Amino acid sequence: DAGVIQSPRHEVTEMGQEVTLRCKPISGHDYLFWYRQTMMRGLELLIYFNNNVPIDDSGMPEDRFSAKMPNASFSTLKIQPSEPRDSAVYFCASRAWGNQPQHFGDGTRLSIL
Amino acid sequence: KQEVTQIPAALSVPEGENLVLNCSFTDSAIYNLQWFRQDPGKGLTSLLLIQSSQREQTSGRLNASLDKSSGRSTLYIAASQPGDSATYLCAVSFGGGGADGLTFGKGTHLIIQP
Repeated sequence: DAGVIQSPRHEVTEMGQEVTLRCKPISGHDYLFWYRQTMMRGLELLIYFNNNVPIDDSGMPEDRFSAKMPNASFSTLKIQPSEPRDSAVYFCASRAWGNQPQHFGDGTRLSIL
Repeated sequence: KQEVTQIPAALSVPEGENLVLNCSFTDSAIYNLQWFRQDPGKGLTSLLLIQSSQREQTSGRLNASLDKSSGRSTLYIAASQPGDSATYLCAVSFGGGGADGLTFGKGTHLIIQP
């Protein structure tokens, strides 16, 4: 069974460019989460979805960040315009309904120059 | 604001030793607690999940305990091996019904010396 799949694995772009990160959750999982990991702040929740509906986006740092989940098998996290302080590893995770563990993708390492 | 703290931040022990990693959290009204392992440049691998009604969970050489009243959890690793070297993260779901995302500690960086 395939795990959570994220793309791209690495992204290097210049300040001001639009960045789109993609995630395919595990089939059948009802919840999808986006996290960001930095050395200074560790892992932080950005937003999560239940049945494709955004439930809590209080962790999204600024209006430059947006996330969508158009269907049960695909989600995007977009940064526009990007800034150097957005450089981090972005993880997507999914979970089945109930008291179940979250499963993480391998992350996207984002560098904004 | 709920917080999760892990002590120590780093630990280096010889192969074969038993060891304990500690995790504390500020709000005892948790839904569950999860321990993860993260290898360099990789994602997180779920090791154990303890529901709020449980006291411990075991998987192979790993045993995780939970004491909600004191806001503490421990991860016990028996007979450590060099392959256990990684960063271990404790994460708590504070949400009612478990719907919320996880709040993570900063992790314990573990090195097992051959």
